[in-house]
Amino acid sequence: AQSVSQHNHHVILSEAASLELGCNYSYGGTVNLFWYVQYPGQHLQLLLKYFSGDPLVKGIKGFEAEFIKSKFSFNLRKPSVQWSDTAEYFCAVFQYGQNFVFGPGTRLSVLP
Amino acid sequence: DSGVTQTPKHLITATGQRVTLRCSPRSGDLSVYWYQQSLDQGLQFLIQYYNGEERAKGNILERFSAQQFPDLHSELNLSSLELGDSALYFCASSVDPAGGPQETQYFGPGTRLLVL
Repeated sequence: AQSVSQHNHHVILSEAASLELGCNYSYGGTVNLFWYVQYPGQHLQLLLKYFSGDPLVKGIKGFEAEFIKSKFSFNLRKPSVQWSDTAEYFCAVFQYGQNFVFGPGTRLSVLP
Repeated sequence: DSGVTQTPKHLITATGQRVTLRCSPRSGDLSVYWYQQSLDQGLQFLIQYYNGEERAKGNILERFSAQQFPDLHSELNLSSLELGDSALYFCASSVDPAGGPQETQYFGPGTRLLVL
């Protein structure tokens, strides 16, 4: 079955630092990839998604992610984080026959 | 505000009991998804309904069941509750006209269930 791993459980950065959160999935084939964010006390919101085409995907709030098929990866990046980016970030994979599988999440703390 | 509503916000019950969680999707969304979020299991997809019919099943226990009504709201029924069922239960909705994942999922605020 498909599984999704996220490299870091908790990341702590200072404001203006660059961010990269790792995400890897286990099975190849055609997949749809997502990053969701959950701000403290709030529901999950979609940051960005990849279905096909340009492997560099731009999302909301300055986030982007790059799909590297050969590495089964979909890493999330932001060049300069803000305190308001403090949240939990989830990578998710959809593969027909497997449904949605979420990673365990990475908690990001941005220090002002 | 995503437009997806869930009731109740919090629920405290005892082992062995049965509860019903309710989800109202965004206006126009035909697809409803249920997820369970717990500390040890993370976010797990449970089940999806599309326009009243079950579309996909994930890690849903036999003690759990769901349905989607003609007005498109959905209910998740949890029975014979165990301590380990304590979790945050989210629903999400999407337009999903083709029944696929292409459409964005909008998540509700969740129902926090505590089983004592």
